[in-house]
Amino acid sequence: LAKTTQPISMDSYEGQEVNITCSHNNIATNDYITWYQQFPSQGPRFIIQGYKTKVTNEVASLFIPADRKSSTLSLPRVSLSDTAVYYCLVGERNNYGQNFVFGPGTRLSVLP
Amino acid sequence: DADVTQTPRNRITKTGKRIMLECSQTKGHDRMYWYRQDPGLGLRLIYYSFDVKDINKGEISDGYSVSRQAQAKFSLSLESAIPNQTALYFCATSERGANEQFFGPGTRLTVL
Repeated sequence: LAKTTQPISMDSYEGQEVNITCSHNNIATNDYITWYQQFPSQGPRFIIQGYKTKVTNEVASLFIPADRKSSTLSLPRVSLSDTAVYYCLVGERNNYGQNFVFGPGTRLSVLP
Repeated sequence: DADVTQTPRNRITKTGKRIMLECSQTKGHDRMYWYRQDPGLGLRLIYYSFDVKDINKGEISDGYSVSRQAQAKFSLSLESAIPNQTALYFCATSERGANEQFFGPGTRLTVL
């Protein structure tokens, strides 16, 4: 299984830009990289996904280098409500078909 | 997400008991997934199904079984529960060809 690594935790202040990086070896050629946000006692919620280069939506940007072995989630101007755990998800193909590997998650704390 | 529901939301049981967790969805998605979440380990895939009666093992399928008899329902069974299966369990769905997954609210299972 592909190993993904993320920082365990990060602190930021309101209004700052936050960048969270995920490393993912053995990403399959056709796999996308997806990021999720999770609040306590809730299921993860989709934020953004991409294949290569840069993707931007109304809440975040995703930067993926040419080798696709890592990705960086960028949250512009964070607020207190962005305090959550952020996961990167990478699809992987193995002997059983396809597996999906979540990273261990990054706990982001936004301070006033 | 109210479109993906899980029952029960909380369950306490004893070692050796058979337990079934239910997941239902009204999103009309073909694909369904069961994940387990433990503190500090993120989410790990147990089983997934790409269509009715299609079953695929995930990263940690030992000790679990699933059933997909209808498109809208995907059930997870623990034939003989053990304490290290104490965890938070999430069901998720996705459309065919899409990577975004929609998660249910989770079931907190405690095995004594």
